[in-house]
Amino acid sequence: GNSVTQMEGPVTLSEEAFLTINCTYTATGYPSLFWYVQYPGEGLQLLLKATKADDKGSNKGFEATYRKETTSFHLEKGSVQVSDSAVYFCALLHGNKLVFGAGTILRVKS
Amino acid sequence: SQTIHQWPATLVQPVGSPLSLECTVEGTSNPNLYWYRQAAGRGLQLLFYSVGIGQISSEVPQNLSASRPQDRQFILSSKKLLLSDSGFYLCAWSLNRGLKTGELFFGEGSRLTVL
Repeated sequence: GNSVTQMEGPVTLSEEAFLTINCTYTATGYPSLFWYVQYPGEGLQLLLKATKADDKGSNKGFEATYRKETTSFHLEKGSVQVSDSAVYFCALLHGNKLVFGAGTILRVKS
Repeated sequence: SQTIHQWPATLVQPVGSPLSLECTVEGTSNPNLYWYRQAAGRGLQLLFYSVGIGQISSEVPQNLSASRPQDRQFILSSKKLLLSDSGFYLCAWSLNRGLKTGELFFGEGSRLTVL
């Protein structure tokens, strides 16, 4: 079936450190891929997306590239801030539904 | 602009009691509506989705049910809660032309604790 696997957290970084959160997927065909973010006390919101192989999604300094060879969509940011502390969810689109990974907690210390 | 509201934000219920969580969307017509559950230490699990009034698709067999009595209202219910029903419930909507953009708009969530 269709599924998403994310690296387990929490991930704890110092401010200005480089961030990578791994995401791999299992799916038939080439689904659209997404990263959602959930800030403390809030619902989820779309961070970025990529709809086909080799596409790069980017937003707020975050980037992720759709790699069909490795079935991956890793999230990266060159310099994290305390305000980036949140839970990050990788997801794929299957028909009329989004299938989410388990989420990765990111904690950024000043 | 579109907004989504769900309530109550926090709920503590005894085992065996009923449940009703409500979600309403404003500023759009005929949205797709979704209920997700986020259990502690686990990811988001799709429970129900609806593409129109009275149309409910269930993803996971359980003692929960959903109803859509109006175009922009989505209700999650249970007749008798179990301990395992504890979690964070999120309502979401998307445009009705399918989820082509992949964008779901989420409510603030309802935290349910069953004791």
